[in-house]
Amino acid sequence: DTEVTQTPKHLVMGMTNKKSLKCEQHMGHRAMYWYKQKAKKPPELMFVYSYEKLSINESVPSRFSPECPNSSLLNLHLHALQPEDSALYLCASSLGGTLLNEQFFGPGTRLTVL
Amino acid sequence: RKEVEQDPGPFNVPEGATVAFNCTYSNSASQSFFWYRQDCRKEPKLLMSVYSSGNEDGRFTAQLNRASQYISLLIRDSKLSDSATYLCVVNPGAGSYQLTFGKGTKLSVIP
Repeated sequence: DTEVTQTPKHLVMGMTNKKSLKCEQHMGHRAMYWYKQKAKKPPELMFVYSYEKLSINESVPSRFSPECPNSSLLNLHLHALQPEDSALYLCASSLGGTLLNEQFFGPGTRLTVL
Repeated sequence: RKEVEQDPGPFNVPEGATVAFNCTYSNSASQSFFWYRQDCRKEPKLLMSVYSSGNEDGRFTAQLNRASQYISLLIRDSKLSDSATYLCVVNPGAGSYQLTFGKGTKLSVIP
């Protein structure tokens, strides 16, 4: 299995809703990432989990809450989002602990906040 | 100086043409380099990792020039399916998890 999967593909939520994005990989990768991408911009790193521990939080607002239940799964819990949070949310994974650190992306969740 | 700079394009080329993209990076300690392609409304896909000696994969050739801090991607015999945005990506440090993305170069291959 050489892919990263994400659910749901699309999500529309109101500003008072609570929802979760899910990401899964079975490549034995030990680093997993959340990125946010707005139209015509490159991906922006949000969080990095390395060996199931949060190692990087790029000053992301607390309305985004990551969780790594095990080495294959990564969740992003969403609460009280703002319309400007509408974007493509990408999960990625890499082997971890290597010089090259090639990252492989999932297909993303396209989030719309009303 | 921006960390990773690319010509945004768009590059509009006919099928069969050869096209080259360049990218410069500012951090001389950068350790690894990649080209990703991203189709409209899709995820970035790793196209090539760039090695010091340069590497080739079919119609695609990547080169690294550490002295001048630039990376290039050459696409020969362009296909319609090569139309995408090409992202130059740099890993700033050994074992770093943080990639620095260029803003991407848009390529349109026209029949």
